[in-house]
Amino acid sequence: QKEVEQNSGPLSVPEGAIASLNCTYSDRGSQSFFWYRQYSGKSPELIMFIYSNGDKEDGRFTAQLNKASQYVSLLIRDSQPSDSATYLCAVNWKKMKTSYDKVIFGPGTSLSVIP
Amino acid sequence: NAGVTQTPKFRILKIGQSMTLQCTQDMNHNYMYWYRQDPGMGLKLIYYSVGAGITDKGEVPNGYNVSRSTTEDFPLRLELAAPSQTSVYFCASRQGATDTQYFGPGTRLTVL
Repeated sequence: QKEVEQNSGPLSVPEGAIASLNCTYSDRGSQSFFWYRQYSGKSPELIMFIYSNGDKEDGRFTAQLNKASQYVSLLIRDSQPSDSATYLCAVNWKKMKTSYDKVIFGPGTSLSVIP
Repeated sequence: NAGVTQTPKFRILKIGQSMTLQCTQDMNHNYMYWYRQDPGMGLKLIYYSVGAGITDKGEVPNGYNVSRSTTEDFPLRLELAAPSQTSVYFCASRQGATDTQYFGPGTRLTVL
């Protein structure tokens, strides 16, 4: 069973602080890793994707990938109240020698940024 | 460009009824996915498709069926609805195996 795990939270941080969200996955063959943000009652929206080991920065967001440890994280700098949402980690899983490729989501981490 | 559209937005079913949730994308994406999201939980993959005529089971396929006769459409069929199928259903599509997914607005289904 392919699994994606996240701390369920809720995670509370003060405005302006760094929020750190973590995700682990079980399939060593996974190639693509995604972070989605979901506001209550809305569809998930993509924040970041990362394919290679190391860090990837986009504005206030930094994704970190360590394939050896099967670990993905998302850092949000200068957290704002508008960042309050559920953050979903997603990992692709591809069947060997086929075109079958599915994306599995973790349970999500609820983030609350306190003004 | 409408992206991914889903109908209906809301539906109430009685136990044992059947229905089809519609999903259409106009981006010519090869990959399409159906997820369900229970309250306070993450998304669980029901079925997915890698192209017209090719589908595969996800994490929670029991009680559902899919078909993919065209690139644009990926309907999800519920047979003999049960209260356990009360959930929000999201359809998503992506162009390639390393691309991001685009989500539809969701269908909120209640089975009573």
